[in-house]
Amino acid sequence: EIVLTQSPGTLSFSPGERATLSCRASQSVSSSYLAWYQQKPGQAPRLLIYGASSRATGIPDKFSGSGSGTDFTLTISRLEPEDFAVYYCQQYGTSLTFGGGTKVEIK
Amino acid sequence: QVQLVESGGGVVEPGRSLRLSCAASGFTFSNYGMYWVRQAPGKGLEWVTLISHDGSNKQYADSVRGRFTISRDNSKNTLSLQMDSLRGDDTAVYYCAKSAVTWPYNYYMDVWGLGTTVIVSS
Repeated sequence: EIVLTQSPGTLSFSPGERATLSCRASQSVSSSYLAWYQQKPGQAPRLLIYGASSRATGIPDKFSGSGSGTDFTLTISRLEPEDFAVYYCQQYGTSLTFGGGTKVEIK
Repeated sequence: QVQLVESGGGVVEPGRSLRLSCAASGFTFSNYGMYWVRQAPGKGLEWVTLISHDGSNKQYADSVRGRFTISRDNSKNTLSLQMDSLRGDDTAVYYCAKSAVTWPYNYYMDVWGLGTTVIVSS
């Protein structure tokens, strides 16, 4: 099983700052089959990024994904109030696993 | 619009059974694989099970294999999850989610329902 590690568990930013979130895999993720989801309290997850770097339909370009192999990154260029949430990575190259999540909170 | 609506959650005693349903609309249900993903209180997301578009392929997480059974009725646009021998660590919000593709079976989830809550407690 591929284990995805998202650390740290919580990141603190001020609105307008740039946020960089990390997702590290225990082994290489084939074909960059990695997705990112956003989840707000009491809501279902929402797909942001798939294929490591492709934005899902309707996702603004302030969200970007990068990486390959075992190291992946989600970047939010300028944080707005609605971006403070929990972000999960998921690999789908070998079965399916999720990372533990990173909470982006207001500093 | 594309929509998934889960139902069937509730409070159940350990060892008992519960059946969840997910009603799909707004897309051709029979063309896509489907998933159940759960989230224990205050915890992260855990993939539970998947079923291929035609129901021929089913996969389960180790934590539920042998206790949970996924099924689908393409004529009724409905996904189901039969949960037997429930345990306390099955307590979670259960989400129904749609695969972005027909194949491969393991893929990302482009649409999610709002979830239904299952509490296993005596």
